Amino acid sequence: GEDVEQSLFLSVREGDSSVINCTYTDSSSTYLYWYKQEPGAGLQLLTYIFSNMDMKQDQRLTVLLNKKDKHLSLRIADTQTGDSAIYFCAENNYGQNFVFGPGTRLSVLP
Amino acid sequence: NAGVTQTPKFQVLKTGQSMTLQCAQDMNHEYMSWYRQDPGMGLRLIHYSVGAGITDQGEVPNGYNVSRSTTEDFPLRLLSAAPSQTSVYFCASSPRTGIGETQYFGPGTRLLVL
Repeated sequence: GEDVEQSLFLSVREGDSSVINCTYTDSSSTYLYWYKQEPGAGLQLLTYIFSNMDMKQDQRLTVLLNKKDKHLSLRIADTQTGDSAIYFCAENNYGQNFVFGPGTRLSVLP
Repeated sequence: NAGVTQTPKFQVLKTGQSMTLQCAQDMNHEYMSWYRQDPGMGLRLIHYSVGAGITDQGEVPNGYNVSRSTTEDFPLRLLSAAPSQTSVYFCASSPRTGIGETQYFGPGTRLLVL
């Protein structure tokens, strides 16, 4: 079945850029998503990218998609302490359910 | 709109007890789903529904039942709780499935089974 992989932890210093990486196995994935989960809360959508796009930028967030390598990344510019959270990569395809990665816990150090 | 609501927020059960986790959405979404979240494993799909009267199993359905008698409500029933069901449970909804629609998540129910 489909699989989505992420590294589990990332630490960065406040003000630096964070890059969270994700790989997926389903080559027919149509949409790829990044969700953020703050402590004690549910997931909230940060951004998503359609599979025919290479890049999407939204303020401090940049999503890069390498469809050939099935690699997705989320770059957060000027990382702040409020960005500390767990970030989930997810994918889905037409008529299929979402598949989530295990989540990357981002710690922002002062 | 309240979005997706879940009750209770926290629950402690003894092994063998049954309970129902409630989920409701007021956005008239067709698709609803239940996930469990365990450390290092991300979210795993338990059951889902593509509309009232239609439910199907996800990745980890054993020990759980669901029903969808209305568009708004999608309760999850634990038939006989086991310690392995200690987890955080999230309900989610979206207008449809698989058409690039995002999912909206509830705040979660934290369940401890002793």
